[in-house]
Amino acid sequence: KNEVEQSPQNLTAQEGEFITINCSYSVGISALHWLQQHPGGGIVSLFMLSSGKKKHGRLIATINIQEKHSSLHITASHPRDSAVYICAVRPHFGNEKLTFGTGTRLTIIP
Amino acid sequence: DTGVSQDPRHKITKRGQNVTFRCDPISEHNRLYWYRQTLGQGPEFLTYFQNEAQLEKSRLLSDRFSAERPKGSFSTLEIQRTEQGDSAMYLCASSKGNSNEKLFFGSGTQLSVL
Repeated sequence: KNEVEQSPQNLTAQEGEFITINCSYSVGISALHWLQQHPGGGIVSLFMLSSGKKKHGRLIATINIQEKHSSLHITASHPRDSAVYICAVRPHFGNEKLTFGTGTRLTIIP
Repeated sequence: DTGVSQDPRHKITKRGQNVTFRCDPISEHNRLYWYRQTLGQGPEFLTYFQNEAQLEKSRLLSDRFSAERPKGSFSTLEIQRTEQGDSAMYLCASSKGNSNEKLFFGSGTQLSVL
C-alpha cells in the first residue's frame, strides 16, 4: 500500500462543476502539498498545509490531521484547470523527503 | 525569468553512455531537490542539498548516480553507464531555508535511454 493515496485517479467534468480531489496518507506528517502538473512536466505548487483550510481564488484545500486526509476543491471549474493534481506529504519534521501520490488527472470539458 | 531552470529539456542517449543534467534554482533559495518521475507516477525523491551540502540521498540513487552543488548555487546530476530503466523525467525543485516552505519546480529534463 502506498503511503499516499489519491482518488479518483481520473476525473472528467463539465465546465462549471464543483470538483473534489481526495488524498489520504498513512504516516504522521508535518506538512502536505498540493501540486498541479501540466502536460510537458511543469509542476506548480498550489498549497502547503499543516492544518485547517487555505483558499486561493477558485481553489480550496483542507486537511484533517486526525483522519490523515486532505481534499482539494475547485469551484466553477474551467477547461484551463485540466491538469494532473498531485498530493505530497512531508512525513515528519526534519525529514526532507516528500512522498508523492500518483496524481489525479482532471479533464474539464467546455 | 527568475524561476527554476533545467537544462537540457530533453536528452536522448544510448545505453551505457554518461549524461549530466543541470539545475539553476531561484537565486535566494538554499535548498535544492532532485526528483525522478516515470509515466503515470508521482515524483520520487532522489536527493537534496542545503547550500552545498548533500544532506539526504534516496536508496533509489544507485552508485551510478551522483549529484553536486559545488558553490551552493546550481546543481548537476550525473548518471553514469545509463540503463533503459533510467528513462524518466528528472525534476529539480528549490525552496528557501525552512522545511515547510513552498517548493518551486523546474520544467524537468526528459531522459530517454535507447
